[in-house]
Amino acid sequence: DTAVSQTPKYLVTQMGNDKSIKCEQNLGHDTMYWYKQDSKKFLKIMFSYNNKELIINETVPNRFSPKSPDKAHLNLHINSLELGDSAVYFCASSSWTSGDETQYFGPGTRLLVL
Amino acid sequence: TQLLEQSPQFLSIQEGENLTVYCNSSSVFSSLQWYRQEPGEGPVLLVTVVTGGEVKKLKRLTFQFGDARKDSSLHITAAQPGDTGLYLCAGARRDDKIIFGKGTRLHILP
Repeated sequence: DTAVSQTPKYLVTQMGNDKSIKCEQNLGHDTMYWYKQDSKKFLKIMFSYNNKELIINETVPNRFSPKSPDKAHLNLHINSLELGDSAVYFCASSSWTSGDETQYFGPGTRLLVL
Repeated sequence: TQLLEQSPQFLSIQEGENLTVYCNSSSVFSSLQWYRQEPGEGPVLLVTVVTGGEVKKLKRLTFQFGDARKDSSLHITAAQPGDTGLYLCAGARRDDKIIFGKGTRLHILP
């Protein structure tokens, strides 16, 4: 059983296109995150949703728009893709109500913008 | 802005040697976590330390949280090729985002 799943795993697209990445967790967690990991492996948080509400919005271009239709899903839509958007994007979830701050990560989406 | 400084950034040692990875900050964290990431996969939690001065052991890995809860270390005894990977520390504050260090790429030579 996959705890945190992301689709697609690989995404190659042209500059200027619009694309979406989907994330689903079946852990019953109330909080979900999007992270960007650059080529140097630095993992930086982009967004966080708690019970479908946006609680963290780091300095991310407004071309990136997260959407949480329910607590188990957090999707990331990217408009007008740029070369610098190429990276690995990780979705993660955790349970704030339990007090456990452990992040459970998905397998990542490798985005390459040409 | 919170910063979590992790060192060294790269480490390549022979099998059987010992090593220590450090994670330092000027901020106090309610907990600190260590993750390990294999190529092509997401980070996986190794341990969470919560109490200042806490020491946790996971087989040959020893994790310590500083008394002031601002720093942590990961010590590996008798490293093995299977320990190769990216090690990430992450500091957490209640009701705040988790901050990740930049990672330590560890390579154990057989």
